[in-house]
Amino acid sequence: GAGVSQSPSNKVTEKGKDVELRCDPISGHTALYWYRQSLGQGLEFLIYFQGNSAPDKSGLPSDRFSAERTGGSVSTLTIQRTQQEDSAVYLCASSLAGTGGNQPQHFGDGTRLSIL
Amino acid sequence: AQTVTQSQPEMSVQEAETVTLSCTYDTSESDYYLFWYKQPPSRQMILVIRQEAYKQQNATENRFSVNFQKAAKSFSLKISDSQLGDAAMYFCAYTTSGSRLTFGEGTQLTVNP
Repeated sequence: GAGVSQSPSNKVTEKGKDVELRCDPISGHTALYWYRQSLGQGLEFLIYFQGNSAPDKSGLPSDRFSAERTGGSVSTLTIQRTQQEDSAVYLCASSLAGTGGNQPQHFGDGTRLSIL
Repeated sequence: AQTVTQSQPEMSVQEAETVTLSCTYDTSESDYYLFWYKQPPSRQMILVIRQEAYKQQNATENRFSVNFQKAAKSFSLKISDSQLGDAAMYFCAYTTSGSRLTFGEGTQLTVNP
């Protein structure tokens, strides 16, 4: 079956522009996660969706970042008024519902975002 | 807060030899999960092996095995009979809540022919 799909694979944009990154999880996976991977900060958690519950947004670095998940499937991460420090690889992962991490997360190939 | 530390930024191994990657973590929880992920240049994070903290037996997946020392909060990965395709960045990760993963800084593994 298909894995986690992310688009675009690469995105180059000018500082100050808004960008949208898309994640299509594995079919049947109710949990969806966004992470950011940058040279200076390593891998950071951004946001977590689980079914119809309110998302855990505690990892979002500023109010310029937001994410939504429509119909419990596809998710979009939006960054407004992009800054150069937003340059990073944005990784999406999904998993089956579970407790305590007994359902491993499966990752997409990521979107490499470059802010000029 | 939980932290994960990988003290080896880079490691190298000869093809067919064995290499061990180190990971330590800090937590006050008693029940949690630990993972090793592999990230080749393609960027995709691939799950290598998983360990449940309540299990004393070390996890094994073919050529990959872990040495889990709960009291010492240590979780090392041993790769036996190393292959060229094992070359990648390896990340140790932790979760307790089933939500976020906390990752270490990563270890870049080079396999020499």
